Amino acid sequence: NAGVTQTPKFRVLKTGQSMTLLCAQDMNHEYMYWYRQDPGMGLRLIHYSVGEGTTAKGEVPDGYNVSRLKKQNFLLGLESAAPSQTSVYFCASSHGQGSSGNTIYFGEGSWLTVV
Amino acid sequence: GEDVEQSLFLSVREGDSSVINCTYTDSSSTYLYWYKQEPGAGLQLLTYIFSNMDMKQDQRLTVLLNKKDKHLSLRIADTQTGDSAIYFCAERISGTYKYIFGTGTRLKVLA
Repeated sequence: NAGVTQTPKFRVLKTGQSMTLLCAQDMNHEYMYWYRQDPGMGLRLIHYSVGEGTTAKGEVPDGYNVSRLKKQNFLLGLESAAPSQTSVYFCASSHGQGSSGNTIYFGEGSWLTVV
Repeated sequence: GEDVEQSLFLSVREGDSSVINCTYTDSSSTYLYWYKQEPGAGLQLLTYIFSNMDMKQDQRLTVLLNKKDKHLSLRIADTQTGDSAIYFCAERISGTYKYIFGTGTRLKVLA
């Protein structure tokens, strides 16, 4: 019953450092997403993927890169962290069109602080 | 444009019913969802409704959909302290990858 798993759960970075957030899903979902959650702003989509080997920009992609080399994994990279990237990051996944209510499932979140 | 709006806060007494409201703008949405987020955790799916339904009931939860007014509500009967959380309304835009989330309603249940 793993569902969507994110690592790490907590991380503190210095400005300018790089890091990668890892996301894995075991539900054979086609679509995967990275969101950030900030107070008063709800969830904002950073990048998404509609299948292995594909990625696309969401609402707030600047400063982030992603890769989907395997269907079950979706990686979010910060090349040069900035304090504005302090946030809670959620990975999510869903089936493609037309099944199971197209429900989107979320990981437990990764708390990132950039100092 | 696509937008989902919710009020930010709701406070109820334990045992009362809670009603959380949501309005959305995109009439092509196919599924509408309610998620619950407890402190320090991810979003947990509570329930969803297909856009051709008016109502869905699941134990203490009742979802009402007024498609004409683009209004969705979540009623929690016999609200308990464990129901204190943030509740997100979301819509899936038909034929796309897109899910649009509201900013969340923080429900506080008073003992």
